[in-house]
Amino acid sequence: KAGVTQTPRYLIKTRGQQVTLSCSPISGHRSVSWYQQTPGQGLQFLFEYFSETQRNKGNFPGRFSGRQFSNSRSEMNVSTLELGDSALYLCASSWPRDPRSDEQFFGPGTRLTVL
Amino acid sequence: DQQVKQNSPSLSVQEGRISILNCDYTNSMFDYFLWYKKYPAEGPTFLISISSIKDKNEDGRFTVFLNKSAKHLSLHIVPSQPGDSAVYFCAASASGTASKLTFGTGTRLQVTL
Repeated sequence: KAGVTQTPRYLIKTRGQQVTLSCSPISGHRSVSWYQQTPGQGLQFLFEYFSETQRNKGNFPGRFSGRQFSNSRSEMNVSTLELGDSALYLCASSWPRDPRSDEQFFGPGTRLTVL
Repeated sequence: DQQVKQNSPSLSVQEGRISILNCDYTNSMFDYFLWYKKYPAEGPTFLISISSIKDKNEDGRFTVFLNKSAKHLSLHIVPSQPGDSAVYFCAASASGTASKLTFGTGTRLQVTL
């Protein structure tokens, strides 16, 4: 079974630009979550989508948004990039048959550098 | 406000010995805990989990212990192997928001020969 894939793997942008990252979950998985990893903060939850609806949201500004398509693929968008947005963005998928025992499968991440 | 804390940024253990990684949490709503392992340039990989109704869960060389009164959990790896060298994250979730994981900042484990 193919794992979670994320594209692109690396991205360099400048301040003020916007960026779109893509995540393809494991086949059959319907939940996709996004996380930001920075050296100082560790992994922080951005948001989760399930069946094309945002189900949970973390404490990030509105510049961070996402969506999920009918095939469960998800995109996240960051507008008006700031230097502090430089991070590894990870997406994770799961099929929440039983949320209490479910684990999330992570992709390799997209390394975003904002100059 | 770090709700999940891993106070040891790094740990070095000899091959064959026990590795003990610790994690503390402050949010009493957390009722499900997980450990992930992460190698460079890869996403975190699920290792083991424990529900708050248990105090121990074992899977091969990995055992997780949960002390709810102390809001503390630990991961024991016995025996430690060089391939265990990685960054370990503990994570927690609360009922109703099971997919929203709150992670610690990670502990880098180095298993030496």
